[in-house]
Amino acid sequence: GAGVSQSPSNKVTEKGKDVELRCDPISGHTALYWYRQSLGQGLEFLIYFQGNSAPDKSGLPSDRFSAERTGGSVSTLTIQRTQQEDSAVYLCASSLVGSNTEAFFGQGTRLTVV
Amino acid sequence: GIQVEQSPPDLILQEGANSTLRCNFSDSVNNLQWFHQNPWGQLINLFYIPSGTKQNGRLSATTVATERYSLLYISSSQTTDSGVYFCAVERWGSGNTGKLIFGQGTTLQVKP
Repeated sequence: GAGVSQSPSNKVTEKGKDVELRCDPISGHTALYWYRQSLGQGLEFLIYFQGNSAPDKSGLPSDRFSAERTGGSVSTLTIQRTQQEDSAVYLCASSLVGSNTEAFFGQGTRLTVV
Repeated sequence: GIQVEQSPPDLILQEGANSTLRCNFSDSVNNLQWFHQNPWGQLINLFYIPSGTKQNGRLSATTVATERYSLLYISSSQTTDSGVYFCAVERWGSGNTGKLIFGQGTTLQVKP
């Protein structure tokens, strides 16, 4: 596609429910990243994919968070048993080969846990 | 890991004024990008600039990799320049993978 696409744009969920966030990277981009931005804060790295594998998942805050990428394209970030502290904007980015190339971000998914 | 510091944290300008935003990083980097986050939260790419100088309209950026800093210049500021400016770096090797590490940002407000 023309840009990185994320869905849904907004998600309100009840505490304890599971949520899935989707990222569709720019066509041909092999690297994909997930970041989280809490209100008024900077960007916190979550996980990095190169193709379908995740060489760096060091930023996932707990085992309630998981992500997968299939076909070297679409990625899904899953948060199980959501907590109020999970409320944030979740941003996805992609780049052509992952190293020394420009990354582009989607518009984000605003998650609110009530 | 590598540290990224941006200054100033907040900046208020009158429309038409010029400004310089700074990004310092604690180790050598392979990649450096400047982003503008608009009031709707979208991150807009400004510059991909691991070294050297680039210009795009009223904006320009310079990265001095050997001295571990980058500068973003905004000239003749406009109200639409308001938002948060982020610097992000990437370093490969020494256990690092291709993730962008962000500074905390500079929040710019341009008043009419």
